[in-house]
Amino acid sequence: AQTVTQSQPEMSVQEAETVTLSCTYDTSESNYYLFWYKQPPSRQMILVIRQEAYKQQNATENRFSVNFQKAAKSFSLKISDPQLGDTAMYFCAFIIQGAQKLVFGQGTRLTINP
Amino acid sequence: DGGITQSPKYLFRKEGQNVTLSCEQNLNHDAMYWYRQDPGQGLRLIYYSQIVNDFQKGDIAEGYSVSREKKESFPLTVTSAQKNPTAFYLCASSILGLGETQYFGPGTRLLVL
Repeated sequence: AQTVTQSQPEMSVQEAETVTLSCTYDTSESNYYLFWYKQPPSRQMILVIRQEAYKQQNATENRFSVNFQKAAKSFSLKISDPQLGDTAMYFCAFIIQGAQKLVFGQGTRLTINP
Repeated sequence: DGGITQSPKYLFRKEGQNVTLSCEQNLNHDAMYWYRQDPGQGLRLIYYSQIVNDFQKGDIAEGYSVSREKKESFPLTVTSAQKNPTAFYLCASSILGLGETQYFGPGTRLLVL
């Protein structure tokens, strides 16, 4: 079975306090792609960052970076200098190469406090 | 502006009624998807389509139907056979490829009266 586990249902940090969201996944496939999406109160799903499993280099996107550990099947998201606008639900997801279904975790509700 | 639009934003369904959710994209994407989100949960795939006039069931297709008559449009019908339709419905699209990013619309909230 293909699953994603986000072990932190809720997190709360102060502005500018670096935060890391955890994600582990399970698949027997070796070729896949990993994603972090954010869902703000508007409920639209917005892509944060994407990682190809065949790449060892961790993806970065401005203040967002990932720590991808393929052997451990871990894909954590680090937010540097978080801002109030980063308050949202964050979902970890992956898709097997050639498949069409994104497999989502349950989400982590992140609150950034002033 | 390129993007994905969904309408309506809110939809109310009476018992025994079929309702249709609209999804349109002007990104020239070949693939389109419908996901369902229940409170406190991630998204689950209902249906997807990679080409006009063809679509495939996802994990929770029972009680739903779709059509893909145009590349830009992928409407979802929630039929009376869907016994628990109250949820947030998200449409997405992507280019065809290997693990391409799926981009999402703003969603439709369906409530049962």
